[in-house]
This record gives sequence, structure tokens and C-alpha cells, in this order.
Amino acid sequence: QVQLVQSGAEVKKPGASVKVSCKASGYTFTGYYMHWVRQAPGQGLEWMGRINPNSGGTNYAQKFQGRVTMTRDTSISTAYMELSRLRSDDTAVYYCARSYSSSSYFQHWGQGTLVTVSS
Amino acid sequence: NFMLTQPHSVSESPGKTVTISCTGSSGSIASNYVQWYQQRPGSAPTTVIYEDNQRPSGVPDRFSGSIDSSSNSASLTISGLKTEDEADYYCQSYDSSNQGVFGGGTKLTVL
Repeated sequence: QVQLVQSGAEVKKPGASVKVSCKASGYTFTGYYMHWVRQAPGQGLEWMGRINPNSGGTNYAQKFQGRVTMTRDTSISTAYMELSRLRSDDTAVYYCARSYSSSSYFQHWGQGTLVTVSS
Repeated sequence: NFMLTQPHSVSESPGKTVTISCTGSSGSIASNYVQWYQQRPGSAPTTVIYEDNQRPSGVPDRFSGSIDSSSNSASLTISGLKTEDEADYYCQSYDSSNQGVFGGGTKLTVL
């Protein structure tokens, strides 16, 4: 069965960077897009961007351009999302989610990774 | 910027039918498919409707989706409400630049 298992919770100071991983299993990793979605406490869902694991091509939401980097390691079927210059309002649960095309629905989601930004 | 607007909350009694709307800010909401996700507290979202009106396997047929081009909106209808349907619901689509967009979410209370 398809599984997306994310790395554990992180606590970071303002100005630092965080890198969250998402390990895929149960399917061909390079056959599906991986998106990243975040949710601040008590708030809604926010799309951050996606990566094509086959080509490495990315598409980032305008809001995060210059601060987010999405990469992948096909040898271990893992996608990564790195967010730099963290601020307190980046405190959120970060999810990876799989889709079969660049603009299709999110079929499967990771369990989420809480990133807390606090001095 | 393309935005999707949902009511903040809706409530209805068990056994009744509720409809949650999702209105597009510009262009035609029919230009790209609309999805609906259910999220219970402390859990990741799950898909209840994809591609406007398709149900993933395992989602009961009490859930249905539709598009109304005249009002530039999508709707999620849940019939025969059960207490287990109480959750947050998000619509989602893509804008003209193929970037993902979520509605603000609707809290459904079944009382």
C-alpha cells in the first residue's frame, strides 16, 4: 500500500532553515508528483509547491519563491522540502502529498511534520 | 490571484443534507477540476471528491460534488448526515499558472 512517512517534529530559531523529508513506499516514486502543503495552528491548508521526482523540476507558490527548495533522492524514494529564513509565522504542520499529474488531486498524504519557530 | 471562498462554518442535524459552497474569485471555476478534502482534528486531510464529482473508493455515496458555472462555484453535498461527518472541509483547485489553491475551509458541525 502507498505510504508517505515524514520526518519528526523540529524546533528552530528565527532565521534558521528546516529540511523536512517524506519517504515514499508502495509505488514507483518517479511516477507521481510530490506536493508540499502546510497548515498553521488553527488555520487552513496552504499549497507551497511541487516537485516532479522523475525530472527534479519544481513549481513553487509565489509566496515562497526564494525561501523554499524542493528536492528528491530517487535512490531512497524520498522527497525533501527546505524552508529558509524561518519566521515565527512559519510555525505549522507541513505535509507532503502525492498526485498522479502536476495538476491532479492529492491522493495520498504524509502524516505531517510540526515545525515550531521560536526564539 | 485566483482565490476560492468557502463559508467559515455550517451546521445541520443528523440525517439531514448539507451543502458547502466554494466560489472562485475570477475566471471560470470550470477551467480546472475541483477537489474536496475532509480533515478531522489532528489528522491529515483525505479526499472525499476529486475532479469535480468523482468519489474515491471507500467514500460513501452520501458525498457528492458539482460545479455551477453560472455562479462560478463548486459545491459539496453530504446527505444523510452522520456525527462522524463532523470535520473541516476544504475545496482545492489550480490557477491559470498551475499553482495549487485551497479554499479557507468550512467547519461542519453535526448537532
